[in-house]
Amino acid sequence: EDQVTQSPEALRLQEGESSSLNCSYTVSGLRGLFWYRQDPGKGPEFLFTLYSAGEEKEKERLKATLTKKESFLHITAPKPEDSATYLCAATPAGGTSYGKLTFGQGTILTVHP
Amino acid sequence: DADVTQTPRNRITKTGKRIMLECSQTKGHDRMYWYRQDPGLGLRLIYYSFDVKDINKGEISDGYSVSRQAQAKFSLSLESAIPNQTALYFCATSDGTGGAAEAFFGQGTRLTVV
Repeated sequence: EDQVTQSPEALRLQEGESSSLNCSYTVSGLRGLFWYRQDPGKGPEFLFTLYSAGEEKEKERLKATLTKKESFLHITAPKPEDSATYLCAATPAGGTSYGKLTFGQGTILTVHP
Repeated sequence: DADVTQTPRNRITKTGKRIMLECSQTKGHDRMYWYRQDPGLGLRLIYYSFDVKDINKGEISDGYSVSRQAQAKFSLSLESAIPNQTALYFCATSDGTGGAAEAFFGQGTRLTVV
């Protein structure tokens, strides 16, 4: 069974205090690892897709990395507007789960000014 | 206008009532999904459809049914709503080519069953 686990459940940072969010996955033949941002009362907003171990992608203060077992979302010098829930999801390469996304529980990030 | 539109945005219904949540998309994607989100449980897949004639159960399909009326429309029904179906429901779409395309989500429907 495909599983995605995120840690920590919640993270409180001061503005400018860099940190990382973790996403561990157990997926038979990973086809893609996705990161989303979700603001309260809204739908998840796509951030990144990672396809293979060693791949990195960046967007403003965010950088996502991927290994064979986990992915990290690094937040550099965060600002209060980065406060949101960050979701990780994975999709397998084939089998009956092909094309489906399995989500982690999310990490609630709060950045204080 | 939003690429993925859900209606209604909020709904309060009584136990035992039938309710339908609707989703339409303008992205031209073949794949559509229904998820529910509960605090601490993340997004869980209810049903998914890879084209108009292909509908599949997700991990929590009991108590739900779906209809794919057209490529752009995918509706979710609760035949007899119960309180533990109170949740935030999301429709999503993705491009079927390549197999690893990101999903795009609607704004959600907040459903309360009393």
